[in-house]
Amino acid sequence: AQKVTQAQTEISVVEKEDVTLDCVYETRDTTYYLFWYKQPPSGELVFLIRRNSFDEQNEISGRYSWNFQKSTSSFNFTITASQVVDSAVYFCALSGVNTGKLIFGQGTTLQVKP
Amino acid sequence: GAVVSQHPSWVICKSGTSVKIECRSLDFQATTMFWYRQFPKQSLMLMATSNEGSKATYEQGVEKDKFLINHASLTLSTLTVTSAHPEDSSFYICSARGDLNSEKLFFGSGTQLSVL
Repeated sequence: AQKVTQAQTEISVVEKEDVTLDCVYETRDTTYYLFWYKQPPSGELVFLIRRNSFDEQNEISGRYSWNFQKSTSSFNFTITASQVVDSAVYFCALSGVNTGKLIFGQGTTLQVKP
Repeated sequence: GAVVSQHPSWVICKSGTSVKIECRSLDFQATTMFWYRQFPKQSLMLMATSNEGSKATYEQGVEKDKFLINHASLTLSTLTVTSAHPEDSSFYICSARGDLNSEKLFFGSGTQLSVL
């Protein structure tokens, strides 16, 4: 069975602090995709990243970075120098190859205070 | 990037009525669409997979007679909540995938359903 666990329900930081959102997954597939989405209060899902299980290179995009550790089945997301606009619910998700079905984690609510 | 339009954004209805939610891929043909439900402060749960021209595949525990899904064309899938009740109040969101080998998924903006 596939499962995604985001153990942090809520995180509160002060602006400019760095924050890491944890994601641990379970799957029996040898090939799979991992995703991160941002859900602002308006509700839409904003795509942040998709990572193939074969690619364990860490990725950086501006203030965002992702650490994929296949050995520990983790795909953590770090926001550097957080901003108030980063306040949202962040979801980690997993899918098999060619299924399109996403298994979402419980989500982490990030509050960035000015 | 590809756009998926979901309509309406929000709907309020009386208990017992049916509500139809549309999910359209605007600039690509979506062979497969997915419908998710999200209760307040909870995660998104997959309800069903909709393939163009065939019956939808429902996840365990989802009532297919209550949540009717139609995917009659490559650009449109509809979810009809039949005889809605207050417990059906939720955020419904669709996603669309292009060709079968595409791993690119595009989400609609979601529909907030409130059943009085």
